[in-house]
Amino acid sequence: DQQVKQNSPSLSVQEGRISILNCDYTNSMFDYFLWYKKYPAEGPTFLISISSIKDKNEDGRFTVFLNKSAKHLSLHIVPSQPGDSAVYFCAASRWTGNQFYFGTGTSLTVIP
Amino acid sequence: DVKVTQSSRYLVKRTGEKVFLECVQDMDHENMFWYRQDPGLGLRLIYFSYDVKMKEKGDIPEGYSVSREKKERFSLILESASTNQTSMYLCASRPTRGRVLGYTFGSGTRLTVV
Repeated sequence: DQQVKQNSPSLSVQEGRISILNCDYTNSMFDYFLWYKKYPAEGPTFLISISSIKDKNEDGRFTVFLNKSAKHLSLHIVPSQPGDSAVYFCAASRWTGNQFYFGTGTSLTVIP
Repeated sequence: DVKVTQSSRYLVKRTGEKVFLECVQDMDHENMFWYRQDPGLGLRLIYFSYDVKMKEKGDIPEGYSVSREKKERFSLILESASTNQTSMYLCASRPTRGRVLGYTFGSGTRLTVV
């Protein structure tokens, strides 16, 4: 059973606008969340993290929001750039756990 | 620059062959993982290891085995390759303690079984 879900397989956004990628999880024990970015033929690279003691974390153009009651997190990219075109995976874990559970990914295309 | 290195970027193997995928990390991480990535299915965990000689099954271990004889090296073995094992294989490592406990991934091995 998929514990982490990304319901939008793809998203297209104009350059300069906001990209919002969504992720839902089912396990209320998850307390640490990550976003990864993946280009074709490369391994995923870490983008941003958030723990359950926060509801927001920012790093430059990237902001992750966590809504624990809804078991929902989102990644905002502002402004979007063509180089942001990639597949984005969200992942969740227990802080004390070994394993991250990944969503199925959202393919973002930023149109110049 | 810290690294997870996978020995091959692309591999083509025949059905029934025994296949070894090697992964080495230089970060002294305790935990190492093997995932496969398939379109529409995301990243699925095959096996992981939290210490030398220790291994745990992930979500899809069938048809695979692993070996971790040294802390820095984690090998994935396809005992008898089949066409449904054609996939992108990703190795990752993770520390047990630290400020950011996410994975560091290797570049991936694209395996094609013919």
